[in-house]
Amino acid sequence: GQQLNQSPQSMFIQEGEDVSMNCTSSSIFNTWLWYKQDPGEGPVLLIALYKAGELTSNGRLTAQFGITRKDSFLNISASIPSDVGIYFCAGRSNAGGTSYGKLTFGQGTILTVHP
Amino acid sequence: GAGVSQSPSNKVTEKGKDVELRCDPISGHTALYWYRQRLGQGLEFLIYFQGNSAPDKSGLPSDRFSAERTGESVSTLTIQRTQQEDSAVYLCASSLLAGAMGYGYTFGSGTRLTVV
Repeated sequence: GQQLNQSPQSMFIQEGEDVSMNCTSSSIFNTWLWYKQDPGEGPVLLIALYKAGELTSNGRLTAQFGITRKDSFLNISASIPSDVGIYFCAGRSNAGGTSYGKLTFGQGTILTVHP
Repeated sequence: GAGVSQSPSNKVTEKGKDVELRCDPISGHTALYWYRQRLGQGLEFLIYFQGNSAPDKSGLPSDRFSAERTGESVSTLTIQRTQQEDSAVYLCASSLLAGAMGYGYTFGSGTRLTVV
């Protein structure tokens, strides 16, 4: 089945530093999404990308949909303590059929920010 | 409701017992999804519903797992004869329409299941 490889698995950074994480896939996705999960909560959508090459920002977050449609990255600028959490990429194929509604998730990147 | 509601939030059960996990999606959301998250892992797809039917149940790990949805609203995930490897957080999400561009999922806070 489809698999997403997300890296790095974890990051320990100082407050104020920039962060970059990425996801690669063995197959094409038509939508890429980035989620953040806080302890004891479900993931919350940060950014959604719908077109190859698209670059989208949401405050200090910037994400890009790779030209090959097999990868995406997320950057966080000027990190703050509340950025701590687990970040997940997710991809959706528009291939149709019964799997149309399913998202495939990466393994997550655990971000720790030291004040 | 305002968000996706899951109950119970925590469940401890003995190996071999059956458990039922409940999900109340956002009102008006026709698509509902179940995922499993083991400790320190990503989200593993189990099943999704469009309305009351399940076009894709390919992620259900075994025949001990089943799910249903009624009234295009509440869904129940049932695990029979629970095993220790079933211990995980079970997350439910809903969206306006499965697969449609622009419709991200909204997740509930999950049910943490511990099988002892």
